Amino acid sequence: DVKVTQSSRYLVKRTGEKVFLECVQDMDHENMFWYRQDPGLGLRLIYFSYDVKMKEKGDIPEGYSVSREKKERFSLILESASTNQTSMYLCATLTSGSSSSYNEQFFGPGTRLTVL
Amino acid sequence: KNQVEQSPQSLIILEGKNCTLQCNYTVSPFSNLRWYKQDTGRGPVSLTIMTFSENTKSNGRYTATLDADTKQSSLHITASQLSDSASYICVVVGSTLGRLYFGRGTQLTVWP
Repeated sequence: DVKVTQSSRYLVKRTGEKVFLECVQDMDHENMFWYRQDPGLGLRLIYFSYDVKMKEKGDIPEGYSVSREKKERFSLILESASTNQTSMYLCATLTSGSSSSYNEQFFGPGTRLTVL
Repeated sequence: KNQVEQSPQSLIILEGKNCTLQCNYTVSPFSNLRWYKQDTGRGPVSLTIMTFSENTKSNGRYTATLDADTKQSSLHITASQLSDSASYICVVVGSTLGRLYFGRGTQLTVWP
């Protein structure tokens, strides 16, 4: 079974703090993603990475950065947390192969971040 | 613009009843369509995956259909159970870079 783990299920931080959200996968998948999920808005892509040290901006990268030093670990960084970054954060991985049709995306359990 | 629209936004049904959730999309070019189930406080879990050549796919009491011509998909849940209470998310994968486009989900509540 693919396992995607996130460092915290719940996190409370203060405005202006630097926040690290960690994601680790154990299936050697090249592609990893960070999403945030807000009521009524669905999942929105923040950043993704298709290889070590590679990163690409998603739809809402502002206020976030990422780090992928090792294949199994993808970190999301909030340089200076703000209240509008209170959200559920989901990490995901994507299998890759010769055919893209059935690439499977696996999600972590999510981190509910509250910024006060 | 690539979009995925789901309806209804929320749905309440009684245990044992059937229901159908809808997904319309404008993503092009299209690679495949997935339905995910997300329990409260957890990450989404895949239910079905279909390419444009597949019209229907079942996973237990869940049956997904796809009409690639009209760009519509449905998820039919048979003999609902309390554990079916969750958010159901339609995801369309574009052929370009394998980008995923998410619907906002249908919140299903099953009452005893």
